[in-house]
Parts: sequence; structure tokens; C-alpha cells
Amino acid sequence: DAGVTQSPTHLIKTRGQQVTLRCSPISGHKSVSWYQQVLGQGPQFIFQYYEKEERGRGNFPDRFSARQFPNYSSELNVNALLLGDSALYLCASTPRGTGAREQYFGPGTRLTVT
Amino acid sequence: QKEVEQNSGPLSVPEGAIASLNCTYSDRVSQSFFWYRQYSGKSPELIMSIYSNGDKEDGRFTAQLNKASQYVSLLIRDSQPSDSATYLCAGKTSYDKVIFGPGTSLSVIP
Repeated sequence: DAGVTQSPTHLIKTRGQQVTLRCSPISGHKSVSWYQQVLGQGPQFIFQYYEKEERGRGNFPDRFSARQFPNYSSELNVNALLLGDSALYLCASTPRGTGAREQYFGPGTRLTVT
Repeated sequence: QKEVEQNSGPLSVPEGAIASLNCTYSDRVSQSFFWYRQYSGKSPELIMSIYSNGDKEDGRFTAQLNKASQYVSLLIRDSQPSDSATYLCAGKTSYDKVIFGPGTSLSVIP
């Protein structure tokens, strides 16, 4: 079975631009979470979606938004990019929302803001 | 207190030795606990999960959880150079949010 997939792999944007990152969960998984990982730190939770509804939000500004589609894939949008948004953006999927335990990560999208 | 803390690295062990990785957590993190391995430039890979007090063994890996002390550890027996990576400790809150520690870098010296 295919794992979690993310696109694009790498992305370079300039300050003030907007970016959309995409994620497809493991087949059968209905929950998707997004994380930001800055170099040298652990992943920081951004959002969790389950059955197309937001189930959790981390301490990120409103410039960050996300959505989940009927096929359980998800998009993360970041507006008005700042240099500090440069990071590895990770998507993780679990079979279900509440009560789900292990989550599995995709390869990530490396975003560089110049 | 940070929600999930890990002992600062880097940790260096000789090949064949036991590597011991430690993690403590706050009251907010009370549910399941996980250890992830992350190679440089790659995404985290789940290697162990533990939900109840005691030990859980999987091959060369043993996870230990002590909820009274709010402590979780990972032992890697017969360490191999391929185990050289950053190890991330994570815990789930009652709201299903997974919180990661900063990671401990492990280097296994041949």
C-alpha cells in the first residue's frame, strides 16, 4: 500500500507570497494532521482534520489555514509568507480521529522563503 | 516546563553498546507515547508506541513508561551505525494533539 504522499517536495517562495501544500493520506485513513518542523527542532502541531472538519489547531497565526476534501486528502495554505515560515512541512495520517494512536508521516515539503 | 522534554544530545555510543534515550512530559501530556526516528533530511518514522506502564520490546528496541514519574525511555540494544539519527519522543494529549520533544541526536561509532 502507498504511504502518505505530499507535494511538492521542495518549494521556494518570496516574502509576502502565498503557498499551498498538498497531502494524500494512507488509503483508509480519515484523519490528517499538519506539522511544521524548523531545523533542529521537533515537529510543531498546526492542524488536525477528521472527516473534513477541523479537530485541532496549534499556536499558529491566521495566515495558516487548511482544509480536507471528501477523499480525505488535505491542503495547507500559508498566506503572506515570512522568512520564519521556512521549514519542513509534514503531513501525517491516522485511521480515525478521536482515539487514534499511531500516526504515519509523509516525506514532507521543504519550503524556503527568501 | 515544556510539555515534552528530552535529554540534550548529541549522544555517542560505540557500535554494539546500548543506547539510552530519555524523555519527560508534563501533566498535559497524558495519553499515548511514541518514539520516532528521523534521519537527516527525512521525515519521522514511527519505531515504538507505548500506552501503559512498564516495558514494551520490539526487536532491539525497548520502550519503558512510568506514568507516576512522567518518564518514558527508549533503549536500543546492540547499536548499529545505521541507528545514527535523531530520536523524537512524542505524547498525545486528551484532545488528540500530538506534542513532540526537541529530539536527541544519536551517533553510533563503528
